[in-house]
Amino acid sequence: AQSVTQLDSQVPVFEEAPVELRCNYSSSVSVYLFWYVQYPNQGLQLLLKYLSGSTLVKGINGFEAEFNKSQTSFHLRKPSVHISDTAEYFCAAAGGGSYIPTFGRGTSLIVHP
Amino acid sequence: DAGVIQSPRHEVTEMGQEVTLRCKPISGHDYLFWYRQTMMRGLELLIYFNNNVPIDDSGMPEDRFSAKMPNASFSTLKIQPSEPRDSAVYFCASSPALGQVNEKLFFGSGTQLSVL
Repeated sequence: AQSVTQLDSQVPVFEEAPVELRCNYSSSVSVYLFWYVQYPNQGLQLLLKYLSGSTLVKGINGFEAEFNKSQTSFHLRKPSVHISDTAEYFCAAAGGGSYIPTFGRGTSLIVHP
Repeated sequence: DAGVIQSPRHEVTEMGQEVTLRCKPISGHDYLFWYRQTMMRGLELLIYFNNNVPIDDSGMPEDRFSAKMPNASFSTLKIQPSEPRDSAVYFCASSPALGQVNEKLFFGSGTQLSVL
C-alpha cells in the first residue's frame, strides 16, 4: 500500500497570495493521486485527481496539482487564495496493488485578510 | 441525491457503553468505507465493503469494533465496550468505483464521538 507524506501541518498565507501545499508518496507503479478538502465540521470533498495522462491536473475552485514521477510528488497550488479557501487539505494515494486511497495527515491552510 | 448521510452527528457516552454509528451511502455506489480521524493519527481506514461484503477490516483497532452492511443502503459501526481512546470523528464514505476514472470518495459529515 501507498504511504503519503504532507510536509507541512500548517500553512499561513495572506489573501490573494499564491500557495503551494506539498505532498510526497511512496514510489509505486500505477499510482493514483488525489487532493481532498475538508471545511470545518464537514466531510472531505474531492478537489482533483490524477489517474493517468497529463501531469498537470486542474480541479475545482482554481486549484491545480502537478504529478512528478521522478520526485514522487503531487503538490497542490493556487495562484491567488481567498479567505474561503481556509480549510484542511488532504493528499491521498492509491496503487502498489491496492486501489484503496491512503491519506496523508493533512495540511491546514489558513488565509489571513 | 442527499449525499452520504451519517447519524448521529454527535455522540457523548460513558466508558463501557455500546455505541452504534450509522451510515446511508449514495444510491448506486458499490463501495463503502469507514474512516476514523484523530489529531494524533490523522485519517485512518477502518474497514471497507464492496457490494455489502466486508473486504478489508485490517484497520479495525480491536475486537471491540465491528461493522456490518446488511443491505446496499445501510451500514453500522459498533463499538462495544467503548473507551475514552475511541473518541474521534468517524467518517463514512462511498464511491461508485475504485481504480477507475470515476473513482471518487463521497464523505458524510461525520460523527463526533466523545467517550467520557
